[in-house]
Amino acid sequence: GAVVSQHPSWVICKSGTSVKIECRSLDFQATTMFWYRQFPKQSLMLMATSNEGSKATYEQGVEKDKFLINHASLTLSTLTVTSAHPEDSSFYICSAREVSDLLPYETQYFGPGTRLLVL
Amino acid sequence: SQQGEEDPQALSIQEGENATMNCSYKTSINNLQWYRQNSGRGLVHLILIRSNEREKHSGRLRVTLDTSKKSSSLLITASRAADTASYFCATDELGDSSYKLIFGSGTRLLVRP
Repeated sequence: GAVVSQHPSWVICKSGTSVKIECRSLDFQATTMFWYRQFPKQSLMLMATSNEGSKATYEQGVEKDKFLINHASLTLSTLTVTSAHPEDSSFYICSAREVSDLLPYETQYFGPGTRLLVL
Repeated sequence: SQQGEEDPQALSIQEGENATMNCSYKTSINNLQWYRQNSGRGLVHLILIRSNEREKHSGRLRVTLDTSKKSSSLLITASRAADTASYFCATDELGDSSYKLIFGSGTRLLVRP
């Protein structure tokens, strides 16, 4: 099946620094990618929808200036957590939709997640 | 945003027993999906049921969908210790430019050996 990778898998940073997380679709083109955040023992909360070549659409309550999303190519989307604080510590998961006439439109693949700890 | 609630929030059963998890959602849907997540890991897609389907089977999994009640259930039969995980339902919601997958609150399943 299609594979989505994330890098890094985990990161520890100091408060105030910025952290960039990459999400790649390895063997397919993804016009749409999604970024989720998951706190311990909670569900996945959608942060934003990222469309290749256009601005991301953020969910209500998500600060677009704090969580910068760039989807510059059909295989790469990046999430940058700017001026990270301890409350940003979370598990960040990306997913990508493969566009194909052979697949249902809802075919979506998830990355393994990136665990961020802000000290 | 979160589409809906799942119950129970946590479920503990003995190996061999069946596990039933329920999911309720709020908006009209095209389909409903169930995912599994082992602790601290990524998501695994289990099954998708379309809005015009009422029941679907896949191995030891059985999913039902009641669009009139906006609810779905996931049944895992003859559970195994390896089924221990969190289970989430998810529905497609139309956003500004594309469909987006919105997850329910999840059920944490513990299968005791």
